[in-house]
Amino acid sequence: SAVISQKPSRDICQRGTSLTIQCQVDSQVTMMFWYRQQPGQSLTLIATANQGSEATYESGFVIDKFPISRPNLTFSTLTVSNMSPEDSSIYLCSVGHVYGYTFGSGTRLTVV
Amino acid sequence: QQPVQSPQAVILREGEDAVINCSSSKALYSVHWYRQKHGEAPVFLMILLKGGEQKGHEKISASFNEKKQQSSLYLTASQLSYSGTYFCGTEDNYGQNFVFGPGTRLSVLP
Repeated sequence: SAVISQKPSRDICQRGTSLTIQCQVDSQVTMMFWYRQQPGQSLTLIATANQGSEATYESGFVIDKFPISRPNLTFSTLTVSNMSPEDSSIYLCSVGHVYGYTFGSGTRLTVV
Repeated sequence: QQPVQSPQAVILREGEDAVINCSSSKALYSVHWYRQKHGEAPVFLMILLKGGEQKGHEKISASFNEKKQQSSLYLTASQLSYSGTYFCGTEDNYGQNFVFGPGTRLSVLP
């Protein structure tokens, strides 16, 4: 299975600022997925990122708030924009499908 | 639509068995099972496909009842390392509408 390097692992940010999270995969993958996991909760899909096309966002998530880049088949970024305390959460990237999904180690974001 | 998991939480003693259930109201193509330890990312355990057989490795196995849209994860002779939150994930068609269940918190005590 693929190995994903995600960074930063954690950050504390001021409200109104933005944070960009990066994920690097050790192999080429068609789709990358971005999830949010609030404390004690399940994982919620934010968007699916395909190389060469616009990301597809799930209901409740918009591009202006969570812009995604996918410049090549091994890399993607998720930006959390104009942050508020409600954005405090763990953000994870993921790849895979037929043989299960592999996740990055996650970014623990605290907005103060 | 999010699948339902039961129980929400379970506490076991080392060596005891546990069953975690996952059910959906819609026809499923596949069911995934993941384990997440505190502070870590979820780790894939196994996938069960429509028309497939029961899966398993070591003391963890799972079944998929397509007619009832249910899957069960069986943990036999539990070990301390089995502690964590178990999530099922379901998709209703190949590569589509994958969604995680709410999770079942499993605690194994010595």
